[in-house]
Amino acid sequence: AQKITQTQPGMFVQEKEAVTLDCTYDTSDPSYGLFWYKQPSSGEMIFLIYQGSYDQQNATEGRYSLNFQKARKSANLVISASQLGDSAMYFCAMGFSGGYNKLIFGAGTRLAVHP
Amino acid sequence: DTAVSQTPKYLVTQMGNDKSIKCEQNLGHDTMYWYKQDSKKFLKIMFSYNNKELIINETVPNRFSPKSPDKAHLNLHINSLELGDSAVYFCASTRDSNSPLHFGNGTRLTVT
Repeated sequence: AQKITQTQPGMFVQEKEAVTLDCTYDTSDPSYGLFWYKQPSSGEMIFLIYQGSYDQQNATEGRYSLNFQKARKSANLVISASQLGDSAMYFCAMGFSGGYNKLIFGAGTRLAVHP
Repeated sequence: DTAVSQTPKYLVTQMGNDKSIKCEQNLGHDTMYWYKQDSKKFLKIMFSYNNKELIINETVPNRFSPKSPDKAHLNLHINSLELGDSAVYFCASTRDSNSPLHFGNGTRLTVT
């Protein structure tokens, strides 16, 4: 069965430092996509970054990068140069079965950035 | 310029009532969704529609009935509300299988 696991319920990081948020997944489907979303305290869901299972390069979007290790089935999010505004819940999600029409989410990691 | 909009933002109602949440997207996407986020922040898919047709129906009680009058709209009607229905409900849409979901801002439903 498909499953997404985020083992860190909460993380702390000092402003301007980098932080890695862990995500592991389980699927037997060879074609899938991995997504990260940010949910600030205001509640909206903000898309951050996407990695396809066949992508050779790790995805990057500004200060966000995805450390994709296919053999280990992990897709960790790296945030460089943390800012106070990065404090939020972060969700890893996986879409699969060729259609990516069904995203399943991990339990989320709450990140707190300290000045 | 709102992409996915849901109304209302907050909904407080009593047990046993019937209520609806509306969702509209102006992105031209073919696929729309309803997700439920519980008090522990866990997000779970409820329904998915592609071009007005139901394609995903998770194990959701029959009291929940989605309706898609056209591909830009996906409404959620809930009958006989229960305390356990209290949650944040998110509408979302996507362009295609390789694109991310665009979420609405959520509707916080509180059943008393």
